[in-house]
Amino acid sequence: GAVVSQHPSRVICKSGTSVKIECRSLDFQATTMFWYRQFPKQSLMLMATSNEGSKATYEQGVEKDKFLINHASLTLSTLTVTSAHPEDSSFYICSARLTSRQGGSGAWTGELFFGEGSRLTVL
Amino acid sequence: DAKTTQPNSMESNEEEPVHLPCNHSTISGTDYIHWYRQLPSQGPEYVIHGLTSNVNNRMASLAIAEDRKSSTLILHRATLRDAAVYYCILRDVRGGSNYKLTFGKGTLLTVNP
Repeated sequence: GAVVSQHPSRVICKSGTSVKIECRSLDFQATTMFWYRQFPKQSLMLMATSNEGSKATYEQGVEKDKFLINHASLTLSTLTVTSAHPEDSSFYICSARLTSRQGGSGAWTGELFFGEGSRLTVL
Repeated sequence: DAKTTQPNSMESNEEEPVHLPCNHSTISGTDYIHWYRQLPSQGPEYVIHGLTSNVNNRMASLAIAEDRKSSTLILHRATLRDAAVYYCILRDVRGGSNYKLTFGKGTLLTVNP
């Protein structure tokens, strides 16, 4: 299967600082990526859809000025949590839709590939 | 989005088959049925998906009711590594470019040795 990598896997920061999380598709190109947030013992909540070369589409109730998304290349999307506060502490997960793969046809198989998640703790 | 209903939790024994049910009585003709699972502290992992016909892959089988109002994910021989939260998700393909998945609460599967 295709691999999606997130970095960092864990980050601790002070309240008021900004934190950037990277999501990379390692062996395929992805024009569309998604960012989710998951609180303990809860399900994943979709935050936004990240489209390469265009503005992200945010879900209702998600502050776009607080959660900045950049998808500048076909293999990288970043989520920046600006002026983080303790209530932003969560598990952030990205996923990617395979658009094309090196040496392959790239036809979408219907599955999304998820990263391993990034755990943010804001003190 | 059409909603799915799953049991909160299920338990099985190792090396026995597991049938995970999902009800989706308001499913539309353009909804695909997707199953993902999430192991503790990891991102979700694709399991299987289908539209109308039953589907098989190396991980599992998906049995879809004739009226499509329910489906069942079948793990043929559960292992301890199958212990996870299993999510049944409907994805509407109208418009041809909707790829996002909306997760519900899922079923926590416990596998006993």
